[in-house]
Amino acid sequence: AQTVTQSQPEMSVQEAETVTLSCTYDTSESDYYLFWYKQPPSRQMILVIRQEAYKQQNATENRFSVNFQKAAKSFSLKISDSQLGDAAMYFCAYRSPTQGGSEKLVFGKGMKLTVNP
Amino acid sequence: GAVVSQHPSWVICKSGTSVKIECRSLDFQATTMFWYRQFPKQSLMLMATSNEGSKATYEQGVEKDKFLINHASLTLSTLTVTSAHPEDSSFYICSARDLIWHNSPLHFGNGTRLTVT
Repeated sequence: AQTVTQSQPEMSVQEAETVTLSCTYDTSESDYYLFWYKQPPSRQMILVIRQEAYKQQNATENRFSVNFQKAAKSFSLKISDSQLGDAAMYFCAYRSPTQGGSEKLVFGKGMKLTVNP
Repeated sequence: GAVVSQHPSWVICKSGTSVKIECRSLDFQATTMFWYRQFPKQSLMLMATSNEGSKATYEQGVEKDKFLINHASLTLSTLTVTSAHPEDSSFYICSARDLIWHNSPLHFGNGTRLTVT
């Protein structure tokens, strides 16, 4: 079974600074998907960024980028120019390749990010 | 973008009663929806996979007779917590994916906070 580990329960960053959230995972599969989700106090799960394992290029979405190290099974999220609205719980998630349209996400325990003004 | 609507957003019920939570995909069809449970300050734990027109698949340790899932159409799945007890108090979140786009990500509902008194 796949597992996702987020070893840092909490982090803080100054506004406008850069912060990196770590995530490691364990799998025997060669093709899969990785995600970072953000959960603000409203509890709505918001997709931040996704990475397909077969792609060597790291995904980027505006201020958000990942460092995907497949051999090391590491998937860290970098937030640049941190904003107050970035404060939230961040969850790293793993998904097996889609088979027949079915899928399920395996989540890490999450990390609480605080952004200080 | 795809939207998943979950209703109600919060509910308080007495011990022994049943509560139904609805999850609707508003602008796409989903043969599969997922129900998660989240305790305070914890991660999302998959409870079951809801399959349109067939029985749900429950994760290990989840009582299927207590958490009844019905997925009668391509846009609606319901989770009924039967004979609720205080320990069932939690945050329940559903998710679904657009069938048309092969690699589309999961979209989450806003969640339902259940309090059993």
